[in-house]
Amino acid sequence: NAGVMQNPRHLVRRRGQEARLRCSPMKGHSHVYWYRQLPEEGLKFMVYLQKENIIDESGMPKERFSAEFPKEGPSILRIQQVVRGDSAAYFCASSPPGTSINTQYFGPGTRLTVL
Amino acid sequence: QQPVQSPQAVILREGEDAVINCSSSKALYSVHWYRQKHGEAPVFLMILLKGGEQKGHEKISASFNEKKQQSSLYLTASQLSYSGTYFCGTFGSSNTGKLIFGQGTTLQVKP
Repeated sequence: NAGVMQNPRHLVRRRGQEARLRCSPMKGHSHVYWYRQLPEEGLKFMVYLQKENIIDESGMPKERFSAEFPKEGPSILRIQQVVRGDSAAYFCASSPPGTSINTQYFGPGTRLTVL
Repeated sequence: QQPVQSPQAVILREGEDAVINCSSSKALYSVHWYRQKHGEAPVFLMILLKGGEQKGHEKISASFNEKKQQSSLYLTASQLSYSGTYFCGTFGSSNTGKLIFGQGTTLQVKP
């Protein structure tokens, strides 16, 4: 049973470009969460999605960031017009359907570097 | 509100014990413990759902005191593989799926 998959693992962008981060949840999981981790800091919640629905986006910056989890395909975290402060590790986690207190399993992360 | 972990860092010798605490100013619904090694993904250790509950995984166990709004992680007879940063995550009083993590406790186990 494959775990949570994220790609790319490393992404380099210049300021002003767009970054697209992909996350495929574990098989059978329908809840996806995105977290951001700045260097030497903890994990900060960004958004919680279920298929075709955003459940909680209280951690998402108001501008430039968006997330989706379509009916088919991976969840996408999109960052438009990246700035140096967006450089971080972005982790996706998933949990099975049912109550959302289920354990969240993390993917390997995408390390975004903005030049 | 972010839970507070203590201590911030611990250095141990192999075989020694350690306790990591996680406390919150808000009522806790559940507590989740993860370990993260440098440059890797957080790995789930255990979840505690009830007040006073204790759980264990090999030589790592945890307790959850709902009244004190606190959880503690106990590492017994530590091994080199225990090194990493430990995070507690909480849902607070509502079941929203949004985990709020503490700032982390870095554990270093030396031979």
